[in-house]
Amino acid sequence: DAKTTQPPSMDCAEGRAANLPCNHSTISGNEYVYWYRQIHSQGPQYIIHGLKNNETNEMASLIITEDRKSSTLILPHATLRDTAVYYCIVRVAGSGAGSYQLTFGKGTKLSVIP
Amino acid sequence: NAGVTQTPKFQVLKTGQSMTLQCAQDMNHNSMYWYRQDPGMGLRLIYYSASEGTTDKGEVPNGYNVSRLNKREFSLRLESAAPSQTSVYFCASSELDRGYNEQFFGPGTRLTVL
Repeated sequence: DAKTTQPPSMDCAEGRAANLPCNHSTISGNEYVYWYRQIHSQGPQYIIHGLKNNETNEMASLIITEDRKSSTLILPHATLRDTAVYYCIVRVAGSGAGSYQLTFGKGTKLSVIP
Repeated sequence: NAGVTQTPKFQVLKTGQSMTLQCAQDMNHNSMYWYRQDPGMGLRLIYYSASEGTTDKGEVPNGYNVSRLNKREFSLRLESAAPSQTSVYFCASSELDRGYNEQFFGPGTRLTVL
């Protein structure tokens, strides 16, 4: 599965949009981009995933570049409760054997500043 | 609907002692997972169970055994605990029939081995 590269930390002012980048230059055509986050001491929480198209849900938006080599997670109006470590993960789509193992790297520690 | 529950929440063991970490989910998911997270690190997969009756090794299986007791329950056993197994252990479950891996995590078990 493709490796991902994320900045170790970022700050964002409360109420502003938080834009978290992720590079995955070796991504394959059948691999999803997943985003999870982990609020201090809690278990990780799924945020969103995408294959080619941009995606939006009630938590965030995911923008994937046309060549799929990078993506950006957008939290449109960051709050203090969004302070967390955000993980970008690439993994093959579908329900076959290769889909199970998600690799959580060190992620990006997002600090939302009042 | 409790989601994923783990017991115990905290545990202190002496080197060489054994213990079993329990995990249960009430979402009728086929797949379950055990991860460990060391301080400042991402999660590492220990074992997973794609479906009832099957288990597979993850990234760091040495020193652990697992049992998929039924569809709801997936336990992790440390036969002879070592200080290197001091960590936070997370259980998760997911349903891959939708084609993507949205994992739901429990609150974690904090284990210290002296």
